[in-house]
Parts: sequence; structure tokens; C-alpha cells
Amino acid sequence: DGGITQSPKYLFRKEGQNVTLSCEQNLNHDAMYWYRQDPGQGLRLIYYSQIVNDFQKGDIAEGYSVSREKKESFPLTVTSAQKNPTAFYLCASSIRRAGSGPEGKYGYTFGSGTRLTVV
Amino acid sequence: GIQVEQSPPDLILQEGANSTLRCNFSDSVNNLQWFHQNPWGQLINLFYIPSGTKQNGRLSATTVATERYSLLYISSSQTTDSGVYFCAVEPAGYSTLTFGKGTMLLVSP
Repeated sequence: DGGITQSPKYLFRKEGQNVTLSCEQNLNHDAMYWYRQDPGQGLRLIYYSQIVNDFQKGDIAEGYSVSREKKESFPLTVTSAQKNPTAFYLCASSIRRAGSGPEGKYGYTFGSGTRLTVV
Repeated sequence: GIQVEQSPPDLILQEGANSTLRCNFSDSVNNLQWFHQNPWGQLINLFYIPSGTKQNGRLSATTVATERYSLLYISSSQTTDSGVYFCAVEPAGYSTLTFGKGTMLLVSP
């Protein structure tokens, strides 16, 4: 079955460490996204990528970095510059690229998330 | 940016009751989705509904794009319906989803 796989499910980070969250999809989707969720809150966009080797900052990109070397993979690195990284991180993908018109619009599919805790 | 407001923020129901969740948005959208987040955090896509009405079992949704709102109906609620329901929209001319803050639903036996 096609889907999105995030790993690990739980991650603990020490102060000053960089950690990388994995996101892999086998849906052949063009676009991929990273969202952050804090307790009792909605999701906020960190980074997104519409095509391989290209990505854009979302609303809360500071302290994070991404890469998109393969269509299937969109890893997120939480750097030591992110002052409050404890959160639930969700990766998503969608079939549509920006500007493809209403006929190409489909829904987003989400992974099961990674819970990151600073210790 | 676009504003997405969901109401009510919290809802407690007895099993078997019906409910309506509302999502208002402040600008034109190309995409609107309803999600259910289960207690383990998984976001399940319920409906892709930028306009019109759709039904899936006990759930149905209606989006009136011209009036910038969407409704999610849950009939004969079950305890497994508990969780947080999110509305998310993709504004016209943009390519990412903006989420509301959600409605937390608790269905008691």
C-alpha cells in the first residue's frame, strides 16, 4: 500500500544537538510538507517542496533546515538554533504542484508523526 | 494571510447524538479538507471538499465557497469519533494548507 512513513516515532534531543526527522513517501507525489503541532494547537507550516532540489520556507522556518534530493524523501533537521523544538512533527505530501489549476487539485496525505522532546 | 476559524472549540456528546462543526475562512480557497486527528496523533483525511456536498457513512460535509464556510456533520456519534477535527484550506494562488485550531470532540458512552 502507498503511504508516508515518518521515523522515528519518538525522538529525544539534548540541548545543542541537531537531529534529523525522516519522511519517505511512495505515492509518487510531487509536493511534500513539514508541519509542527504544539499541544492544543493547530498545525503550522515549517517548510515545503514542490519539486526535487527546490523548497520554500513556511511560516516558522527559523531553526529548521530541509533537503529534497529525491522525490520520495524530504528530511527535516531541527538545529540547535531552534529554541523550543519540543513538539509533534507531521510530514505530508500531495499530488499537485502549485499552479496546475483546479483540475489538478487533490488532498494532502499525512504521515503518523514524530514526537520530539528536548531533554 | 488567510484566517481559518473553527467552532465550537470543544464539544461533548453522548453516544448516538448528532453534531455540526463549522469552519469559516476569510478568503477564496482552491482546496478545503477536513481531518480527524486520533488520540495517537494520526491525521486522517475525511473529506476533500472545496465546494459542494459529500457523504461518507455517518459523516457528511458541505462547503459553500461563495459564503466562505464549511460544515462537517457527524450523525449517530460513537466513542471512536472522539478526537480533534481540523479544517484546513489552501488559499487561491497559494500551494500550502492553512489549518484552523480544531474542534475537540469527546463522545461518552
